[in-house]
Order: sequence, then C-alpha cells, then structure tokens
Amino acid sequence: GEDVEQSLFLSVREGDSSVINCTYTDSSSTYLYWYKQEPGAGLQLLTYIFSNMDMKQDQRLTVLLNKKDKHLSLRIADTQTGDSAIYFCAGYSSASKIIFGSGTRLSIRP
Amino acid sequence: DTAVSQTPKYLVTQMGNDKSIKCEQNLGHDTMYWYKQDSKKFLKIMFSYNNKELIINETVPNRFSPKSPDKAHLNLHINSLELGDSAVYFCASTPTSGYEQYFGPGTRLTVT
Repeated sequence: GEDVEQSLFLSVREGDSSVINCTYTDSSSTYLYWYKQEPGAGLQLLTYIFSNMDMKQDQRLTVLLNKKDKHLSLRIADTQTGDSAIYFCAGYSSASKIIFGSGTRLSIRP
Repeated sequence: DTAVSQTPKYLVTQMGNDKSIKCEQNLGHDTMYWYKQDSKKFLKIMFSYNNKELIINETVPNRFSPKSPDKAHLNLHINSLELGDSAVYFCASTPTSGYEQYFGPGTRLTVT
C-alpha cells in the first residue's frame, strides 16, 4: 500500500539551514505536501508541489522533488526558534486520500 | 473567521460512554475528513465525505460513526469509548477542484 517515511528527529543550530527528507512509495501521487504542527495545534499547510515540478521556492522554504527516487525534501533557510515544530510530509494518493508520514520533530539549538 | 472549527477542544470521559465531536468548515469545500493522531503523532485517516456522501472508510471500529448533515458539517460519534480511543482527532476539508487540505485545531479525547 501507500507509504510515506521520514526520520523522526532533526536538530539544527539557529541560523543554519534545516533539511527534512521524505520518501514515498505511491508513484502516482500528484501532489506532495509539507505541513507544520506546533505543540498543541493543528496542522498548517506550509507548501505543496505538483508532481511535474522539480523545485518550488517560497521565501525561506525550498521544496525539492526527485520523482525517480520518490524523494521529497524541505529546506528551511536561516532556521529560527519559531521553526521548532513537527513537520509532516504527505502525498495525495491514487485512492483520493492524503497519506502522511510519521513527522520529523525539528529542534533548534542556540 | 475560523476556517475549520471543532468542538469541543478537550473531552475527558469514562470508558463505556458515548460522545460526539463536531466539525464545521466555512470555506465552501465539498470534501471533509476525520483523522486520528496518536500519542506518537502518527496521523491516520478515518473517514472522508464528499457532499454528504461517504467516500473513504478506513479500517475503523464500527463504534465510530460519522454523520454529515450538510457539506459544511461532519460530526463524529463514538459509542462505548475505550482507553485506546484516547487521541487527538482532527477534522479537515478540501475543495473539489483543489488539493490543499485545511485542518481544524483538533479535539483531544482522553478516556479514563
């Protein structure tokens, strides 16, 4: 079945770039998403990329998609303390539903 | 001007009780979802409705029954609550012509 995988934890120094990686299995995923969840809050859609794109940039966020390897990444430039959260990768599957990864908990070191 | 709202935000109840969680969206979206997020933050889809019609029903105990009185509302009723039902339940909605999914703030259910 469809699966989306992410590493569970990432720690970066404030001001550095964060790169969160994700792999997925459903090659027919038309859209791939990044969501942010802060403690005690719901999921906030950060950005998404259509499967025919390689890259999408939105201010400090850069999404890279390698469709051949089914690999998606989110780069956050100049990481700030407010970026501390859980980041979920997700793919829109052929079954008309969005499948979420397990989330990567990003922590920021001073 | 809340886009997707849920009530209640917190729900503490005893095993065996029946409870409902309500969800409303004012975005004009046609499709609504219920997700369950467990203590490890794993997010799993439970149900999806499109224009009041059930389109996705994952492997969920039949103690869980969604109800959509109109396309702006999707409620979740849970019978005979069990300890394992403790989780955060998220409602979400999507426009028919788009793929962005918008989430509500969640309902933290604690069964004691």
